[in-house]
Amino acid sequence: DIQMTQSPSSVSASVGDRVTITCRASQGISSWVAWYQQKPGKAPKLLIYEASSLQSGVPSRFSGSGSGTDFTLTISSLQPEDFATYFCQQCNSFPLTFGGGTKVEIK
Amino acid sequence: EVLLVESGGGLIQPGGSLRLSCAASGFSVSDNYMSWVRQAPGKGLEWVSAIYTGDRTDYADSVKARFTISRDNSKNTLFLQMNNLRVDDAAMYFCAGDTTSVTAWRYWGQGTLVTVSS
Repeated sequence: DIQMTQSPSSVSASVGDRVTITCRASQGISSWVAWYQQKPGKAPKLLIYEASSLQSGVPSRFSGSGSGTDFTLTISSLQPEDFATYFCQQCNSFPLTFGGGTKVEIK
Repeated sequence: EVLLVESGGGLIQPGGSLRLSCAASGFSVSDNYMSWVRQAPGKGLEWVSAIYTGDRTDYADSVKARFTISRDNSKNTLFLQMNNLRVDDAAMYFCAGDTTSVTAWRYWGQGTLVTVSS
C-alpha cells in the first residue's frame, strides 16, 4: 500500500498568511494526488485533483504542486473560511490512501 | 444539483450486520464512479470501497470479505453491505462520487454514523 505522510499535523496562522501543507508518498505516484478541505461535522470538499488542477468553484488562492513523491497545497492568503482540516489523498492505485490531515487553526 | 443522501447507520453489536444506502439525485449512480469513505470519531479519512466501470469493485484490506459494495440502477442508489462488524468499523460513513474520476470525488453525502458496541 502507498503511505501518505502529511505535515504539519497542525498549523496556527493569521488571516492573510500564506500556508503550505506537504504530503510525501511512499513511492512515486506521478501527479495522482487530490487535496480535500473538511470542516467540523461536514463532508470533505475536493479542492485540487491531479496534483495541481483546481476544482471548479474553488478560490484561486488555493494551489497545488508536485509530482513523483512530494506534493504541496498552498493557501496564498488565508481567509476566515479557510480554517479547517486538510487531507491529501493518493489516487494512483488501490487501496486509495489519505494523509493524516493538517488542522489549520486561528493564531 | 447533485445530492447524495446516506442512510442505514446505527448501533450494532460486534459480529452484526448493517446495510448502508446512498440515494442519489441529479447524478446517475450506475453511470459514474462511486466510493465509500469512512472516518472514525476524531480521526482521519479512510477509503473503504469503490465500484466503477463494468461494476468492477475494490476494497480496503481491512474490510475485504466482510463488506460488499453494490448499486441498484432502478433506485439510483449505492449500497454497502457490512457483515461481521468489528468495534474498529465504527465511523461516519460517507458515499462519494464523480463523473470523470474513479479515485477523486466532487460529490459527497453528509454521512451516516455506524456505532459498533456491545
